[in-house]
Amino acid sequence: ETGVTQSPTHLIKTRGQQVTLRCSSQSGHNTVSWYQQALGQGPQFIFQYYREEENGRGNFPPRFSGLQFPNYSSELNVNALELDDSALYLCASSSGLLEQYFGPGTRLTVT
Amino acid sequence: GEDVEQSLFLSVREGDSSVINCTYTDSSSTYLYWYKQEPGAGLQLLTYIFSNMDMKQDQRLTVLLNKKDKHLSLRIADTQTGDSAIYFCAESIQLGGGYQKVTFGTGTKLQVIP
Repeated sequence: ETGVTQSPTHLIKTRGQQVTLRCSSQSGHNTVSWYQQALGQGPQFIFQYYREEENGRGNFPPRFSGLQFPNYSSELNVNALELDDSALYLCASSSGLLEQYFGPGTRLTVT
Repeated sequence: GEDVEQSLFLSVREGDSSVINCTYTDSSSTYLYWYKQEPGAGLQLLTYIFSNMDMKQDQRLTVLLNKKDKHLSLRIADTQTGDSAIYFCAESIQLGGGYQKVTFGTGTKLQVIP
């Protein structure tokens, strides 16, 4: 059984650019959640996907969008990057509502 | 609204017990969690407790929940240097459509002194 994987590990982008982050969920898990973790902070919930539909969203603007694919892998897209978007982006997968398993994260730096 | 608060830092000597505290505000929480994050890594689920429980023990870990005061604690017995990490408390609230909203605290950095 493979765990949650994320790619890329690190990424550097320029303000105004767009970025796509990827997540492969753990085998058998149909729910994926994305979190933003700024330096020294706890993770902040961005949104959740269940069976390819977004079914919950935190306080993030529409330029944060996502997709979930039939194999339950997922993408997080961020348009018009701002300096404050620099953070660790974490993906978590779960089956049902109890235990979320986190990936190692993607470190995004916006310059 | 949801708000989860933790103290920022805790330092203990190896072999002692560590107690990390957390307070939350939303009384409709269904599960409460403790996660561990080591430098440069993702979050590792340590343990969780249902909101209708008072205590849960899992090897060296003991979770205490005071629902009246909305206070959660994690006790680590016989703390080891490998326990040095940031510990996050989190609450989840079940909303409609199978959606679970999880709110994390700001984390407590545990330093274990050899």
